[in-house]
Amino acid sequence: QVQLQESGPGLVNPSETLSLTCVVSGASISNYYWSWVRQASGKGLEWIAFIHYTSGSTNYNPSLRSRATISVDTSKNQVSLKLSSVTAADTAVYYCARDLGRGGGFGPWGQGTLVTVSS
Amino acid sequence: QTVVTQEPSSSVSPGGTVTLTCGLSSGSVSTDNYPDWYQQTPGQAPRTLIYNTNIRSSGVPHRFSGSILGDKAALTITGAQADDESDYYCVLYMRDASRVFGGGTKLSVL
Repeated sequence: QVQLQESGPGLVNPSETLSLTCVVSGASISNYYWSWVRQASGKGLEWIAFIHYTSGSTNYNPSLRSRATISVDTSKNQVSLKLSSVTAADTAVYYCARDLGRGGGFGPWGQGTLVTVSS
Repeated sequence: QTVVTQEPSSSVSPGGTVTLTCGLSSGSVSTDNYPDWYQQTPGQAPRTLIYNTNIRSSGVPHRFSGSILGDKAALTITGAQADDESDYYCVLYMRDASRVFGGGTKLSVL
């Protein structure tokens, strides 16, 4: 059974860099695409980025491309997201999910981690 | 930037049928967009209902079905139940491999 567990700082100062990790169990991180999705309170889901380690493929939401970096650490079987120059608008629950690509959907999802941007 | 459109809200009576739609601000949705549908209740992670237009995820009741209706993707709930009251999101896959979520539909069962 594939399980994902996100973790993050909880609170980040404005203008700093947010760093999140998602530890994957039950599957090799090398074999799949992995995406980050976020959701501000009371708002909808927003796809941030995906990565596929084996092919080296990454893709970003155009609105976040300049600030987001997704990466994989195969030794820890985890996927990470860094988001720079954060503002209050980046306050959200951040989810990681296995991304089965076109025709496969997202799943499973982690339970999400809340990040608040505030001084 | 691509905008995926969904009805902000919809309602259905218990036992009734409702169709939620997922469109594009410019252009038509087709099977080439591989539309997926997710259900989300407050405080929970999304749950996959439908992927690749019309394939039900494991364990999803048969009352949920996906299709293309005209120029939009559609999620139909036939025989709605009280616990179907949730937020529903579609996601489309674009030519550049990016994924775009719709704004979500809040479904009331009343």
